[in-house]
Amino acid sequence: EIVLTQSPGTLSLSPGERATLSCRASQSVSTYLAWYQQRPGQAPRLVIYDASNRATGIPARIRGSGSGTDFILTISSLEPEDFAVYYCQQRSNWPYTFGQGTKLEL
Amino acid sequence: QLQLQESGPGLVKPSETLSLTCTVSGGSISSSTYYWGWIRQPPGKGLEWIGTIYYSGTTYYSPSLKSRVTISVDTSKNQFSLKLSSVTAADTAVYYCARHGAICSGVTCYFEYWGLGTPVTVSS
Repeated sequence: EIVLTQSPGTLSLSPGERATLSCRASQSVSTYLAWYQQRPGQAPRLVIYDASNRATGIPARIRGSGSGTDFILTISSLEPEDFAVYYCQQRSNWPYTFGQGTKLEL
Repeated sequence: QLQLQESGPGLVKPSETLSLTCTVSGGSISSSTYYWGWIRQPPGKGLEWIGTIYYSGTTYYSPSLKSRVTISVDTSKNQFSLKLSSVTAADTAVYYCARHGAICSGVTCYFEYWGLGTPVTVSS
């Protein structure tokens, strides 16, 4: 089973600042990695797929990068709606696995 | 627009079987292109993939839950279902159903569409 480790657990920032979230895989997942955003009381929402592609409706300030075992989600200038929990997920191998999440808070 | 809706009891007694159904609308569960999955989230915790089914009945399960999980599909009703046996308090969670790609590329390979989730509490 591929383990995804996200860091930091919590990131405290202010609107307008830059956020950098990390996801590390226990073995290579190539670029078969996604990022999801989850706001309180809502279902997760796919924001990045195949490591670096934005899903429909996701603003350009949200960017994904990486391949193999190391991945980064960057939000260049935080907006109030970006404060949420972010999860990475791999589809390289069964079982599909999620990271434990990074909470982006004000 | 594809929609998924979870349904089932919100309270289950310890040692009993949790049963949930996901009803799909706006698309066919019999499509060869997609898988249909269950994911759960304990209170205040992260996401855990439970398992996935293909319209043909082929299933994939999380190793940690495999001995207790059964996922089935009813193409005539455009539904798929989850059964989790011998539940304990650790199975208390919000349960989501979601679609992801089987024969796919790009965004459709991932959990692109989710239900709103249904909370299930295991308690006597």
